Amino acid sequence: GQSLEQPSEVTAVEGAIVQINCTYQTSGFYGLSWYQQHDGGAPTFLSYNALDGLEETGRFSSFLSRSDSYGYLLLQELQMKDSASYFCAVRDEISSGSARQLTFGSGTQLTVLP
Amino acid sequence: DAGITQSPRHKVTETGTPVTLRCHQTENHRYMYWYRQDPGHGLRLIHYSYGVKDTDKGEVSDGYSVSRSKTEDFLLTLESATSSQTSVYFCAISDLLGADTQYFGPGTRLTVL
Repeated sequence: GQSLEQPSEVTAVEGAIVQINCTYQTSGFYGLSWYQQHDGGAPTFLSYNALDGLEETGRFSSFLSRSDSYGYLLLQELQMKDSASYFCAVRDEISSGSARQLTFGSGTQLTVLP
Repeated sequence: DAGITQSPRHKVTETGTPVTLRCHQTENHRYMYWYRQDPGHGLRLIHYSYGVKDTDKGEVSDGYSVSRSKTEDFLLTLESATSSQTSVYFCAISDLLGADTQYFGPGTRLTVL
C-alpha cells in the first residue's frame, strides 16, 4: 500500500520561512505534488517534483529526495494569505487496477501570525 | 481557473435516501475524479472516469456509483445515504490519467442525518 506522513499543524510569523515535510511509502513512485487549500475552498496545485532536487516557483519551493522517500515544501516571506492547509500527494497505483492515481497526505494546517 | 462547477453546493438529507451530486466541466478534459474529504484523512478517491461511459473504482468506492454519459458531466450517486457519508465531496479533472496537476471544483458539503 501507500502512505504519506506530514505534520498536522505548523505555525509561523509573517515574513518568516517555514518548511513542511512529507515522507512517503509507495509501491511505485512517479512524483511528489503539493496542493494548497484555504478554509472552505478547493485544493489548488502548487508544485510537482519527479526528480531529486529543488524546484522554485516564486516564494514557494519544493524539494524531493527519492532515495530518502522524502520531500518538503518551503514557503518564504510568509504572508497572512498563506494560512491554509497544504497537502503532499504521490502518484501511485490504486488497488483496483493498473491506473495510477494521486494519493494525498492528511494535510498540514499552516497558521501565519502577524 | 479551470471551468468546473459542482451542484448542489450544500445538501442535507436523511439516512436511506438517494443522493446525486453533479460535476460539470467546460475544459473538455478526458479524466474526471470524485474525492471525499474528511478531517484527518485528506482527500480520498472514490471513483474516476477515463472517458464517456468508462469509469473505475478508487480507494473508497463502497456505497457509491458514478456515471458519465457526456464528456462534460460526471455524476456521483449515493444509492442509500448513510451518516458515514457525511463529508465534503470534490470533483477534479485532468487531461492525463493520474496527472499530478488536477483541477478541483468548489466542493459539495453533504450532511446525512
